[in-house]
Amino acid sequence: KQEVTQIPAALSVPEGENLVLNCSFTDSAIYNLQWFRQDPGKGLTSLLLIQSSQREQTSGRLNASLDKSSGRSTLYIAASQPGDSATYLCAVPTGGYQKVTFGTGTKLQVIP
Amino acid sequence: DGGITQSPKYLFRKEGQNVTLSCEQNLNHDAMYWYRQDPGQGLRLIYYSQIVNDFQKGDIAEGYSVSREKKESFPLTVTSAQKNPTAFYLCASTPTGTNQPQHFGDGTRLSIL
Repeated sequence: KQEVTQIPAALSVPEGENLVLNCSFTDSAIYNLQWFRQDPGKGLTSLLLIQSSQREQTSGRLNASLDKSSGRSTLYIAASQPGDSATYLCAVPTGGYQKVTFGTGTKLQVIP
Repeated sequence: DGGITQSPKYLFRKEGQNVTLSCEQNLNHDAMYWYRQDPGQGLRLIYYSQIVNDFQKGDIAEGYSVSREKKESFPLTVTSAQKNPTAFYLCASTPTGTNQPQHFGDGTRLSIL
């Protein structure tokens, strides 16, 4: 059974700092990994999707990496801003077609 | 703009009552999903549907039911058999094929009266 862990559960940083969020998964036989953002009381917004054949994916100030062999992914946020404050979740496919398992998320607070 | 609409945003259930949460998408996606989110926990899959008139149980289907009569719609009924229904419910969809990101609605928060 696929298990997804995100550490830390919460993170507080001053504005402008670069930061890294971590995601680990137990079954490395995945074909992609997704990173999402969730604002309080809202649904999830897809940030990046990394194919299994890729090692990195970039979008603006965000960079996600994937190391299947070690079962790990990181989300790097450059020059953090207060608007980046949200919960970040990673998700990997599990078991069946298009089913995914989500991590419990990292709650990020960027302090002005 | 295309997207997923969930309604209502807030819902209250009386004991013994069934309630239905609406999920409509105009993205022309084949697959749709219902998740439950509890504080401090990740999303857990309740039901999913890959095509019209077909759906499968997820990890926590007990006390819930769904239908998929139209491609655009995937309503979730929380029955009286679900003894702990208070949670945030999220609907999602994806197009056919692997390696496609899931699109989410803004959720429905269900509480017990």
